[in-house]
Amino acid sequence: DSGVTQTPKHLITATGQRVTLRCSPRSGDLSVYWYQQSLDQGLQFLIQYYNGEERAKGNILERFSAQQFPDLHSELNLSSLELGDSALYFCASSPRGQLQETQYFGPGTRLLVL
Amino acid sequence: GQSLEQPSEVTAVEGAIVQINCTYQTSGFYGLSWYQQHDGGAPTFLSYNALDGLEETGRFSSFLSRSDSYGYLLLQELQMKDSASYFCAVRGDTDKLIFGTGTRLQVFP
Repeated sequence: DSGVTQTPKHLITATGQRVTLRCSPRSGDLSVYWYQQSLDQGLQFLIQYYNGEERAKGNILERFSAQQFPDLHSELNLSSLELGDSALYFCASSPRGQLQETQYFGPGTRLLVL
Repeated sequence: GQSLEQPSEVTAVEGAIVQINCTYQTSGFYGLSWYQQHDGGAPTFLSYNALDGLEETGRFSSFLSRSDSYGYLLLQELQMKDSASYFCAVRGDTDKLIFGTGTRLQVFP
């Protein structure tokens, strides 16, 4: 158990819909990262937050947005969902978001878009 | 562009030694990490190399050569539970963590 929690574990929805994925980082960690992992694919970095502010942006679609709240939990919003958005979405956290830090991953949210 | 290459699959038997290579091409470099991911599970951190050389952690070791843009993960005394996917990841100057597509290791009895 990494100490990072994600909800929900599974999500099934239809094309065109909007969903929100939630992540709570490890206690004391200020930085949160979001990743997408499609079937048999590597991890694609989406976005990183540090203490409420966006720090780095990866291959995140305009239909996707995220934020980190004052209590440090983070939400990833996916809108106008398409079939290709079906994937595992992981959240990870690290203490200060520094390059050399280990990232601790949550169990993931499995999203299925029908 | 930025890319990492690793073999898609490696097989070995229990007790053997296996090496998983990773070559990278990135703009800027701040370290090479390795993560393990079991089927259906979350990635877990294994090792991190910022400087050239070998880092050893129990049965696992990781090597980096920055001049060759190359690293490897060495797994010794393989056990069945080591069957998993292994990802190398690089930090570039954009502060992003870029993952390779992963190497699936299958350990046979």
